[in-house]
Amino acid sequence: AQKVTQAQTEISVVEKEDVTLDCVYETRDTTYYLFWYKQPPSGELVFLIRRNSFDEQNEISGRYSWNFQKSTSSFNFTITASQVVDSAVYFCALSEAENTDKLIFGTGTRLQVFP
Amino acid sequence: EPEVTQTPSHQVTQMGQEVILRCVPISNHLYFYWYRQILGQKVEFLVSFYNNEISEKSEIFDDQFSVERPDGSNFTLKIRSTKLEDSAMYFCAKVDRGGELFFGEGSRLTVL
Repeated sequence: AQKVTQAQTEISVVEKEDVTLDCVYETRDTTYYLFWYKQPPSGELVFLIRRNSFDEQNEISGRYSWNFQKSTSSFNFTITASQVVDSAVYFCALSEAENTDKLIFGTGTRLQVFP
Repeated sequence: EPEVTQTPSHQVTQMGQEVILRCVPISNHLYFYWYRQILGQKVEFLVSFYNNEISEKSEIFDDQFSVERPDGSNFTLKIRSTKLEDSAMYFCAKVDRGGELFFGEGSRLTVL
């Protein structure tokens, strides 16, 4: 069965701190996709990244970076030098090859960045 | 400009009433999706719609729910007789060429 676990319910940091959001997934498929979405207080879901299971290279996009490790079934997300605008709920999600657009979401991690 | 526009942004309805939520993608796509998020909880898949037919649906998507594309552009989710537990944010989504799933801004449904 597929499952996404985001063990951190809520994280609070002070601006400029680095913060890592954990994501652990379970799947029997060898081909799958991992996603991160940001949900700011306004409620929309903002796409951040999609990574397929064959690409284990870490990705960096500005202050955001992602660490994909198949050996530990983890896809962690790090925000460097956090800003107040980063305050949001962040969701990790998984989809499998058979239905790549049917996402299974984790329960989300609420990040609060204080000035 | 959002790639997917949803209306209404918020609807309040009485239990037992019918509700129609609408989604208008900016560009032509064949695949559409509806997801639901009960307040404070995770996002859940409801249904996928391909070429004017349901391709997959979840256990949540029971007989009270239906989807259609009535005029070739709007994509609607209908809840026939709303229940209190239908109160949630409903997201329409489409897939970009890169396989990225883009969500609309959501329609918040409140059932009283």
